[in-house]
Formats: sequence, structure tokens, C-alpha cells
Amino acid sequence: AQRVTQPEKLLSVFKGAPVELKCNYSYSGSPELFWYVQYSRQRLQLLLRHISRESIKGFTADLNKGETSFHLKKPFAQEEDSAMYYCASIGQAGTALIFGKGTTLSVSS
Amino acid sequence: KAGVTQTPRYLIKTRGQQVTLSCSPISGHRSVSWYQQTPGQGLQFLFEYFSETQRNKGNFPGRFSGRQFSNSRSEMNVSTLELGDSALYLCASSLFRSTGELFFGEGSRLTVL
Repeated sequence: AQRVTQPEKLLSVFKGAPVELKCNYSYSGSPELFWYVQYSRQRLQLLLRHISRESIKGFTADLNKGETSFHLKKPFAQEEDSAMYYCASIGQAGTALIFGKGTTLSVSS
Repeated sequence: KAGVTQTPRYLIKTRGQQVTLSCSPISGHRSVSWYQQTPGQGLQFLFEYFSETQRNKGNFPGRFSGRQFSNSRSEMNVSTLELGDSALYLCASSLFRSTGELFFGEGSRLTVL
């Protein structure tokens, strides 16, 4: 079965430090991968998709098929990045979007 | 455009009761998905509806059911409530089915006593 793993429940960094939120997936084919973010008291929202290869709010994520990973990175963390981050994937076409358990990012000054 | 609207926002029930939650998708969106969010398990997929038909189903017991109406509005029902059903139930809509680009509502927080 398709599975998404986020090994860290909590990641605490200082402002200006690099950030890497880890995500591994289990689907053996070519999944579609996404990062969602939930800021305090806000709705869960899409942050970025691997197919678009975009950078949103300074965040990027690269799909590594060899390591079956899709880690989220930002070179310099800001306090406003503090939020819950969910990695998600769609495996086989026609299936549902499956989420990891999420990682709370805390950025302090 | 109005976002995804879920009602009620908060509700308290007792064990054995049933509950119905409602979701109005973004105008023009035909797919509605439901997720259960808890601190321990994160977001778990319940089901997805598209054009009034259930297209995908997660690994939840039959007490959890849903439906979608012709105007794309959706409801989910949980019967014979258990303490473990306490959670935030999130609805998400999208233009297409089986897509990763979901627009979420604020959720319905269910507490079972």
C-alpha cells in the first residue's frame, strides 16, 4: 500500500538557519508528490508540487527516486515559517491523496 | 470565490449517537474528499466523491459513510460514535478527481464523550 513517512514530529531551528523537512514515500512507480502547510489558526493549504519545480516562500523540494524521498528545504528559516508541514502523495492514477503524519516546524529568534 | 464551507464547526456527542457533517465545495468543484485529523495519526483519508459517486475509500469501518448531492455538496455520517472518533474532520474540494491540489475547509471538530 502507498505510504508517506515523515520521520520527525518536531523540528526546531533558529531564524536564519537552514531547514530540511524529511519525507519518504513507498510507492514504486512514479508518484505525484506535494507539500501542504497549516499555519496556526489557518486552513491546510497546498505549498508546492513536485511537477511544477517551483519555489514558494523560499521553499523547494526535489524528488529523489533513488532514495524515494521528497524533502522540503529552505536555506534561511524565518519565524513566519513556523507551522505544521505535511508531505502527501498520489500513487497509482485514480487513487486518493495520502498524507504523512506531519512535522511541526518551530523557528525561534 | 467563497472557500470550502463546513458545518457545524464544533459539536459534542455522546457514545452511541450518530453525527452528520456537511461540506459545501468551492463553486465549480466537483470532487469532495474527507479526512480525519488527529494529533496521533495526522490526516487519514476517509473517502472521495465525484459526480455523486464514491471513487475512493480509506480504511475506516462501515460506521463512516458519506454521500454527494447533485450540486456537489457532500455529507458524511458517523454512526454509533466511539470515543476514538473524536477528531477534526476536514473536507476538501477540487476541480478534478484524484488530484493532489485540494482546497480545504476549516473542519468540523467532533468531541465524543
